[in-house]
Amino acid sequence: QSVLTQPPSASGTPGQRVTISCSGSSSNIGSHYVYWYQQLPGTAPKLLIYRNNQRPSGVPDRFSGSKSGTSASLAISGLRSEDEADYYCAAWDDNLSGPGVVFGGGTKLTVL
Amino acid sequence: QVQLVESGGGVVQPGRSLRLSCAASGFTFSTYGMHWVRQAPGKGLEWVAVIWYDGTNKYYADSVKGRFTISRDNSKNTLYLQMNSLRAEDTAVYYCARDGGYCTSTSCSGWFDPWGQGTLVTVSS
Repeated sequence: QSVLTQPPSASGTPGQRVTISCSGSSSNIGSHYVYWYQQLPGTAPKLLIYRNNQRPSGVPDRFSGSKSGTSASLAISGLRSEDEADYYCAAWDDNLSGPGVVFGGGTKLTVL
Repeated sequence: QVQLVESGGGVVQPGRSLRLSCAASGFTFSTYGMHWVRQAPGKGLEWVAVIWYDGTNKYYADSVKGRFTISRDNSKNTLYLQMNSLRAEDTAVYYCARDGGYCTSTSCSGWFDPWGQGTLVTVSS
């Protein structure tokens, strides 16, 4: 059971816009930045969005992030076949029993 | 370019120990917090541990607390993960990652960039 909650799967057709949600609590998303990662099959994860809504250089502007309260979302517009991957959200958590980073369980995106 | 290269993975029996290394290059290693993140076969990402840039603070996931120790040698630009009392459920690809944010006195971030290529640890008799 992951601390951050993501839908296990999402899908869309080429050109469509899809959104992946990430729900947390006041000790993580509510207090800290959210980060998004893309993991293509057989490869290491790659940073997609940092500090809620910032894109690293090289990440297409089709990818965007947002945060409101204790939830965040990743939007992908103009869906392409190469976007088919697993997506994870992450945030620091001020857990009293031991702070650290928490991840969502991951969302498998299928491009139909 | 900025690069992280893990090593030390392999097959180990339950209850035994293993030490992973992560060699950093292309950036000033001594100024960044560093993390270990793992991924069991077919599963999602699980954060393992973090160490502050100077080694002053270290935090661990509950699943490894008391068994794993994160450390670093800034003179060698190398991050380590000492894993003791290994269990079957520790089987995973282990990634090291640089913290891209600024670690305060009480928190780092979930900003991992870059990641290493990963090293596979298999715990099996």
